[in-house]
Amino acid sequence: AQTVTQSQPEMSVQEAETVTLSCTYDTSESDYYLFWYKQPPSRQMILVIRQEAYKQQNATENRFSVNFQKAAKSFSLKISDSQLGDAAMYFCAYRPVRANSKLTFGKGITLSVRP
Amino acid sequence: NAGVTQTPKFQVLKTGQSMTLQCAQDMNHEYMSWYRQDPGMGLRLIHYSVGAGITDQGEVPNGYNVSRSTTEDFPLRLLSAAPSQTSVYFCASSYAKLLAGEHNEQFFGPGTRLTVL
Repeated sequence: AQTVTQSQPEMSVQEAETVTLSCTYDTSESDYYLFWYKQPPSRQMILVIRQEAYKQQNATENRFSVNFQKAAKSFSLKISDSQLGDAAMYFCAYRPVRANSKLTFGKGITLSVRP
Repeated sequence: NAGVTQTPKFQVLKTGQSMTLQCAQDMNHEYMSWYRQDPGMGLRLIHYSVGAGITDQGEVPNGYNVSRSTTEDFPLRLLSAAPSQTSVYFCASSYAKLLAGEHNEQFFGPGTRLTVL
């Protein structure tokens, strides 16, 4: 069974600084997607970034980037130049490429941003 | 496109009452799913569907029922509400088969906060 682990329940970062959120996963699949979702106080789930396992290049979306280590099954999210609006809960998620596969979430991490 | 819509946004039930949480999507997605979110537990899959007429159980299906008569709609039924079902419920949809270069993420509705007294 696939599992996604986010071992840090909370983190804090100073505004304009950089923070890294960690995530590990366990799978026997060779092809899959990894995602980071953001959930602000509004409760809406927002996709931050996705990574295809077959791609060696780490995904980047503006101030958000990932460090994908396939052999170590590690998928961390780096937020650069942190802003007050980045304060939210962040979920790491995994989904195999095969048809009809399910999305598995980690338990999430609450990020606070200090002004 | 409205995306994924859920009704109601908030609901309070008494133990033993039944109700249906509605979910609809207009993106022609084959795959739809229901999650519940509890503090410290992340999102846990209740039921999912890969197309009209096809449903299957997720991680925490007990006490919930689903059906999928159309591609667009995927209602979640609580047959006899219990306090343990107090939670925030999310519906999500996506393509069933992930393809390179496609938008493969699940799109989420705004959630329903359910309280069972």
